[in-house]
Amino acid sequence: EVQLVESGGGLVQPGGSLRLSCAASGFTFSSHWMSWVRQAPGKGLEWVANIKEDGSEKKYVDSVKGRFTISRDNAKNSLYLQMNSLRAEDTAVYYCARSTWSGHCFYWGQGTLVTVSS
Amino acid sequence: QSALTQPASVSGSPGQSITISCTGTSSDVGSYDYVSWYQQHPGKAPKLMIYDVSNRPSGVSDRFSGSKSGNTASLAISGLQAEDEADYYCSSYASSSTRVFGGGTKLTVL
Repeated sequence: EVQLVESGGGLVQPGGSLRLSCAASGFTFSSHWMSWVRQAPGKGLEWVANIKEDGSEKKYVDSVKGRFTISRDNAKNSLYLQMNSLRAEDTAVYYCARSTWSGHCFYWGQGTLVTVSS
Repeated sequence: QSALTQPASVSGSPGQSITISCTGTSSDVGSYDYVSWYQQHPGKAPKLMIYDVSNRPSGVSDRFSGSKSGNTASLAISGLQAEDEADYYCSSYASSSTRVFGGGTKLTVL
């Protein structure tokens, strides 16, 4: 059974940093693209970033470029999202998803809440 | 990277059929057959219902179908059931190898 478990969310002040993790199990992690998708409270879904199986390709939504970094450790079956220079508008539930190269998210985690506030 | 356009809400009675539209541009929906649709119940993670415009993942009811014409994709749900009441989001592959979602549509089963 595919399982994705996010962790690392919490309350952070504007300008601060946070690192999200996603522990994957139940499939061959190193054979799949992975994505981060977020959802602000009461709002819709927003694609944030994705990463190729071997980490050689990474793409980001314009609003996080230069501030967020997606990475993975295939030996640990883990996906990460390093978030720097956080802003109030980054407040959201962040979902980790197993995806295809074209971006279809077949499996999702339960999400982790990030709140940026002073 | 502008969001795709979906109606804010649609409704239908049990047993009826409804369609949700998703309008993009020639930089996303119009140029790629990589449209997907997601169902999200309150407080839950999204669930993939349609991918590559019209394909259903294993386990998704055949009451759900997808199509595309030009810059607009559509999700059709036939034989509406109470459990179909949820938010639905479309998504498309876009230029620069990024991804864009629609604003979401709230489906109410009357």
